[in-house]
Amino acid sequence: AQTVTQSQPEMSVQEAETVTLSCTYDTSESDYYLFWYKQPPSRQMILVIRQEAYKQQNATENRFSVNFQKAAKSFSLKISDSQLGDAAMYFCAYRSLEFSSGSRLTFGEGTQLTVNP
Amino acid sequence: EAGVTQSPTHLIKTRGQQATLRCSPISGHTSVYWYQQALGLGLQFLLWYDEGEERNRGNFPPRFSGRQFPNYSSELNVNALELEDSALYLCASRWGQENQPQHFGDGTRLSIL
Repeated sequence: AQTVTQSQPEMSVQEAETVTLSCTYDTSESDYYLFWYKQPPSRQMILVIRQEAYKQQNATENRFSVNFQKAAKSFSLKISDSQLGDAAMYFCAYRSLEFSSGSRLTFGEGTQLTVNP
Repeated sequence: EAGVTQSPTHLIKTRGQQATLRCSPISGHTSVYWYQQALGLGLQFLLWYDEGEERNRGNFPPRFSGRQFPNYSSELNVNALELEDSALYLCASRWGQENQPQHFGDGTRLSIL
């Protein structure tokens, strides 16, 4: 079974600064998907960015980018020019391509990000 | 385009009762997933429905069940409620292809008194 670990329960960043959230995972599979979701106090899980394991190029979405290190099984999220609206709980998630997994997402424990004005 | 909608927003029950939670996926999405987000336990996969069939379930007892209707909406039923069932229940939907991400609703907060 796959596991996802986020070792930083809480992080804080100053507005306009850059912050990196860490995520590691354990799998024996060679192909899979990785995601970062954010969950603000409104509760809705919002997709931030995704990465296909077979792609070596790191995904980027505006101010959000990832550092995907497949051999190290590491998938960190970098938020540039942090904004107050970025404050949320961030979850790293893994999705297997094995049919038996049912396309379920396996989530990390989450990192609570605070953005200070 | 409307997102994933869940109802009710909040549900209060007592031990031993039964709860029904509802989810309407994004139009065109055929797969529906249910997750439990309990305090201290993180997000746990519950059930996956696709094309009206239960395709996979997580490590939860049989009193957690559900179904998917012909319009792809879904119900999650929890029987014989226990205090530890108190959690936020999130529904997500996905379009057919495997490489598509899951999109989540706002969740139903289930509180067991």
